[in-house]
Amino acid sequence: DTEVTQTPKHLVMGMTNKKSLKCEQHMGHRAMYWYKQKAKKPPELMFVYSYEKLSINESVPSRFSPECPNSSLLNLHLHALQPEDSALYLCASSQLWDRGYGYTFGSGTRLTVV
Amino acid sequence: TQLLEQSPQFLSIQEGENLTVYCNSSSVFSSLQWYRQEPGEGPVLLVTVVTGGEVKKLKRLTFQFGDARKDSSLHITAAQPGDTGLYLCAGARRTTDSWGKLQFGAGTQVVVTP
Repeated sequence: DTEVTQTPKHLVMGMTNKKSLKCEQHMGHRAMYWYKQKAKKPPELMFVYSYEKLSINESVPSRFSPECPNSSLLNLHLHALQPEDSALYLCASSQLWDRGYGYTFGSGTRLTVV
Repeated sequence: TQLLEQSPQFLSIQEGENLTVYCNSSSVFSSLQWYRQEPGEGPVLLVTVVTGGEVKKLKRLTFQFGDARKDSSLHITAAQPGDTGLYLCAGARRTTDSWGKLQFGAGTQVVVTP
């Protein structure tokens, strides 16, 4: 299995809702990432997990809460989002930092906050 | 501040023509990765280059990493409509405060018309 699977593919939520994005990989990668991508912009790093522990939080607002229940799963819990949080949310995984390896990205969740 | 500058931002060519995309920085990178992204999908890794002066070929795509490991280029020979997409370069630096932070360029939108 050489894929990163993200669900759901599309999500529309109100500003008072609570929802979660899910990400799964079975490549044995021990680093997993959440990125946010706005239209016509490159991906922006949000969080990095290594060995299931949060290692980087790029000053992301607390209305985004990541969770890594095990080495294959990564969640992003969403609560009280704003319309400007609408974006494509990408999950990625990689071997623990080794300059020879690239990242495997999922197809993303297209989030719309209304 | 964009550490990686990509040029051009947009490129529209006819099928069969050649094209080159550039990725430049004032910083040294341990590795540089190239991705292609199609609308509504996650980036797909094309190649990783790690050695200064390295050249890698993938069918009609040729990737080069500068001798000083600060810049890279992607050359496509005899472009096809299937090469259409957003091309992203991304650099990794192995320092204690940047582990896991893949820096993306702004991207080059390539359109190949039949």
